[in-house]
Amino acid sequence: SAVISQKPSRDICQRGTSLTIQCQVDSQVTMMFWYRQQPGQSLTLIATANQGSEATYESGFVIDKFPISRPNLTFSTLTVSNMSPEDSSIYLCSVEASGSYNEQFFGPGTRLTVL
Amino acid sequence: AQTVTQSQPEMSVQEAETVTLSCTYDTSESDYYLFWYKQPPSRQMILVIRQEAYKQQNATENRFSVNFQKAAKSFSLKISDSQLGDAAMYFCAYRTPPTSGSRLTFGEGTQLTVNP
Repeated sequence: SAVISQKPSRDICQRGTSLTIQCQVDSQVTMMFWYRQQPGQSLTLIATANQGSEATYESGFVIDKFPISRPNLTFSTLTVSNMSPEDSSIYLCSVEASGSYNEQFFGPGTRLTVL
Repeated sequence: AQTVTQSQPEMSVQEAETVTLSCTYDTSESDYYLFWYKQPPSRQMILVIRQEAYKQQNATENRFSVNFQKAAKSFSLKISDSQLGDAAMYFCAYRTPPTSGSRLTFGEGTQLTVNP
């Protein structure tokens, strides 16, 4: 399995500001994903981070609100832009490596609170 | 689009007893994977068990096993000899095949309490 770290682990932000979350993996992986978990709810896929090209967004999520970068096979960032209290959630990075029996492993998550 | 349904928001079990968590899903695909994840209060998502749709044999991992009924689109998790450390939120998840992006769809979750 891959070891995944996320920074920051938590943050409290003001309405209207932006926050960039980093996801670092200890080995090269083929697939990287970003999920959102709103308070007391399940996980929802935001987008697939594609290396060297634009991310693939799920319905209801747009690039202007959640820009994503993936400059190489071990690193990705998710930015939450122009935040509102409704963006308060846990944001999780996950990865899937080739030969991993199609398993996805998750980072520890970033708990975001927007005031 | 695929949907995953967990009809039990909460379940409880006595320590050392057995409990079964239910999950149903809806898909038109034939090639897919199913997973159970555990999320303790630390919020770390931990993979418990996986099942490939093309395999008829039910997956087992130590005290955890599944009952996979492909025709009924049912995928339940059985935890035997429950331990206090099993207390967590359990999520059932459906993964699309690589040709569809390997995306995970999660159920609403079942909060499992283990009573000493």
